[in-house]
Amino acid sequence: SAVISQKPSRDICQRGTSLTIQCQVDSQVTMMFWYRQQPGQSLTLIATANQGSEATYESGFVIDKFPISRPNLTFSTLTVSNLSPEDSSIYLCSVVELAGFNEQFFGPGTRLTVL
Amino acid sequence: AQSVTQLGSHVSVSEGALVLLRCNYSSSVPPYLFWYVQYPNQGLQLLLKYTTGATLVKGINGFEAEFKKSETSFHLTKPSAHMSDAAEYFCAVSPAGGSYIPTFGRGTSLIVHP
Repeated sequence: SAVISQKPSRDICQRGTSLTIQCQVDSQVTMMFWYRQQPGQSLTLIATANQGSEATYESGFVIDKFPISRPNLTFSTLTVSNLSPEDSSIYLCSVVELAGFNEQFFGPGTRLTVL
Repeated sequence: AQSVTQLGSHVSVSEGALVLLRCNYSSSVPPYLFWYVQYPNQGLQLLLKYTTGATLVKGINGFEAEFKKSETSFHLTKPSAHMSDAAEYFCAVSPAGGSYIPTFGRGTSLIVHP
């Protein structure tokens, strides 16, 4: 099973700034995703991070607000830009092991508070 | 297309009592079904999954779930709740096979009283 680490684990940011979250996986994985979990809510898929090409964004999420990089099969970053209090959420990195019947593994999450 | 409905955003039980968390799904193709648990300030952890074969699936920490195709359900149970079971539980579904991303339910918060 994949082991995922995220940095930072939490941060408090000022309105209008940006935060970049790093996701590191201990093995090469094809499918890597970024989710948002707003307080008291379920997980919302932001985008699929594609290695070597632009990320695939879900409806309601755009690259200018959530730029994503994935330089290789074990690492990705998510930037949340031009922060507003509505961006206060937990951001989760996740990978899917297709050989494991689509089982997902999640990082510990990054808790973002925007003041 | 697939969707997941978790009945009850909060479930409260006494320690030692039966835990029942409900999950109903819809899927146009045979599904893979999952239950995840999220402890406070942590990421999600897989409890159990149904892919093929036996419809009663046993997971970690004494939890089990039964896939009932006729009822399109995958309810999670545990015979005796423990204080450490207090957490958020998410049911998820994905189409069997292929590179599909699971769809998650809204989650059920399990509260365990002493």
